[in-house]
Amino acid sequence: EDQVTQSPEALRLQEGESSSLNCSYTVSGLRGLFWYRQDPGKGPEFLFTLYSAGEEKEKERLKATLTKKESFLHITAPKPEDSATYLCAVTPTTGNQFYFGTGTSLTVIP
Amino acid sequence: NAGVTQTPKFRILKIGQSMTLQCAQDMNHNYMYWYRQDPGMGLKLIYYSVGAGITDKGEVPNGYNVSRSTTEDFPLRLELAAPSQTSVYFCATHRGLQPRATNEKLFFGSGTQLSVL
Repeated sequence: EDQVTQSPEALRLQEGESSSLNCSYTVSGLRGLFWYRQDPGKGPEFLFTLYSAGEEKEKERLKATLTKKESFLHITAPKPEDSATYLCAVTPTTGNQFYFGTGTSLTVIP
Repeated sequence: NAGVTQTPKFRILKIGQSMTLQCAQDMNHNYMYWYRQDPGMGLKLIYYSVGAGITDKGEVPNGYNVSRSTTEDFPLRLELAAPSQTSVYFCATHRGLQPRATNEKLFFGSGTQLSVL
């Protein structure tokens, strides 16, 4: 069964304190892994797509990496505006569905 | 371009009532999805469609119905609403799998918050 697990559920960081969010997945064959950001009361906003182990993508203070079993979202020197829920999703090669994890709620304290 | 438009934004239903959640897109995407999001539970796929006239069940389809008569619209129907259907509903679109996997992503609407009392 295709499954996505994210950890931790919640993370509180001081402004400038770097950390990583984890997304582990089980999928019959991985077509793509996605990271989204979701602010309260809004729909998820796309951040990254990763396709193969070893791939990395960066955007401002965020960097996503992918291995054969998990992905990390590294946050370098976060700011309060980075506070949000970060969602991970996978899509298998065999289907058209996207499977989401439960998310990590990030709070960055000034 | 409006992107993905969901209506209404909020709705309160009584148990047993029916309603349709609307989703419209102007991106000419073939793939459309309905998700529900409960607190701490992530996004669960209800139904999806890969093109007009084609729909398929997702992880949690019970209590819902969909239709896809045009590329632009993908309404979600709730029959006999139950308290368990209290949730936030998101519609999303995708241009479809490409021969070379690159920059694929879901585009989401802003959601419909539904309460069944």
